[in-house]
Amino acid sequence: QSALTQPASVSGSPGQSITISCTGTSSDVGGYNFVSWYQQHPGKAPKLMIYDVGNRPSGVSDRFSGSKSGNTASLTISGLQAEDEADYYCNSYTSSGTQVFGGGTKLTVL
Amino acid sequence: QITLKESGPTLVKPTQTLTLTCTFSGFSLSTSGVGVGWIRQPPGKALEWLALIYWDDDKRYSPSLKSRLTITKDTSKNQVVLTVTNMDPVDTATYYCAHSRITMIRGVSYFDYWGQGTLVTVSS
Repeated sequence: QSALTQPASVSGSPGQSITISCTGTSSDVGGYNFVSWYQQHPGKAPKLMIYDVGNRPSGVSDRFSGSKSGNTASLTISGLQAEDEADYYCNSYTSSGTQVFGGGTKLTVL
Repeated sequence: QITLKESGPTLVKPTQTLTLTCTFSGFSLSTSGVGVGWIRQPPGKALEWLALIYWDDDKRYSPSLKSRLTITKDTSKNQVVLTVTNMDPVDTATYYCAHSRITMIRGVSYFDYWGQGTLVTVSS
């Protein structure tokens, strides 16, 4: 299974909104509503931000939201803050009964 | 409070077998629905999902690495062990273990608690 496709980098100014895309196939993203997103700061372990396409775990800011259309999932961060600067990874369940991560997106807050 | 910690060698030689242990607390791997997985990350690169084991010993492996991976659990010791055979320099990475929250569908894993990770370097 190939890694899901994410843009290498995105950027935005404080207060703005940004969207990170995650493109797969009908065998993963497009076939199931089991997409998740992780945030990773440098030198730290990843943190679960979104699961089941658009659900937030307890404690995650409602500035983070997820959606899906066809084979592409998206993570939107509204009201961008400096602390949001990090790497973001999407993940999807696959038809092989396992999971696959995206290549990661570096978010820069200008 | 759920915690996980990875342990094992920091340096292995090419062709050797890597054995990593994840020791956890705050939950039991005998509880229905619970899973523990392994994920790795080469320096400066993306996360890679490796394997997952459930409370009932159901095991899932990355298709691309399945022939080289084995995941086992010792419920009495609160440990999960990952072995990777025939190590190669491209396997140099930080290896994480993580707790998967209970999901409705077998094979779906959402890692809500992570260990700190352990860097394994493959070099002769």
